[in-house]
Amino acid sequence: SAVISQKPSRDICQRGTSLTIQCQVDSQVTMMFWYRQQPGQSLTLIATANQGSEATYESGFVIDKFPISRPNLTFSTLTVSNMSPEDSSIYLCSVADRNSYGYTFGSGTRLTVV
Amino acid sequence: GESVGLHLPTLSVQEGDNSIINCAYSNSASDYFIWYKQESGKGPQFIIDIRSNMDKRQGQRVTVLLNKTVKHLSLQIAATQPGDSAVYFCAENAGGTSYGKLTFGQGTILTVHP
Repeated sequence: SAVISQKPSRDICQRGTSLTIQCQVDSQVTMMFWYRQQPGQSLTLIATANQGSEATYESGFVIDKFPISRPNLTFSTLTVSNMSPEDSSIYLCSVADRNSYGYTFGSGTRLTVV
Repeated sequence: GESVGLHLPTLSVQEGDNSIINCAYSNSASDYFIWYKQESGKGPQFIIDIRSNMDKRQGQRVTVLLNKTVKHLSLQIAATQPGDSAVYFCAENAGGTSYGKLTFGQGTILTVHP
């Protein structure tokens, strides 16, 4: 299965600032996704990162708050904009590859907003 | 919206016992189910999956059972070890245009006592 490198692994940010999280995959994958995991909770899908076009966002998530880029089949970024303490979560990148089973996750970015 | 839920948020077992973690899902269109293990500070790790055309699948020390009639999924871990202590999530996918998009259950914390 694909190997995902996610950066940074953790960060502490001031409210009102933005953080860009990177997701690098060691092989070309058809689909990439971004999830949020709030403290002590389960994972919620933010959006599907589409190569060469705008991301597709799930209900409750908007592009202005979570802009996503996917310039090629191995890389994507998620930006958390104008952060507030409520944005403190783990953000995870996931990939789906029809040549392998399951969906692989990165190790996550633990974000704390102060 | 559709959701996946778990009956028991915590489970404590003795080393060597068998563990059973349950999950209820509500989307009858879901045709692919995955169990993940998440250790502290890490992303979800694939354990085992099952498609809707099966009712049982076995892996190494793990078995997943699917009951589509009552929309129920379970994960059985044989001879549970301290290294199995983690949070376990079930996830479902409806396929088609939802390929790759997972809906996660709330998670069960498994604690294995030596």
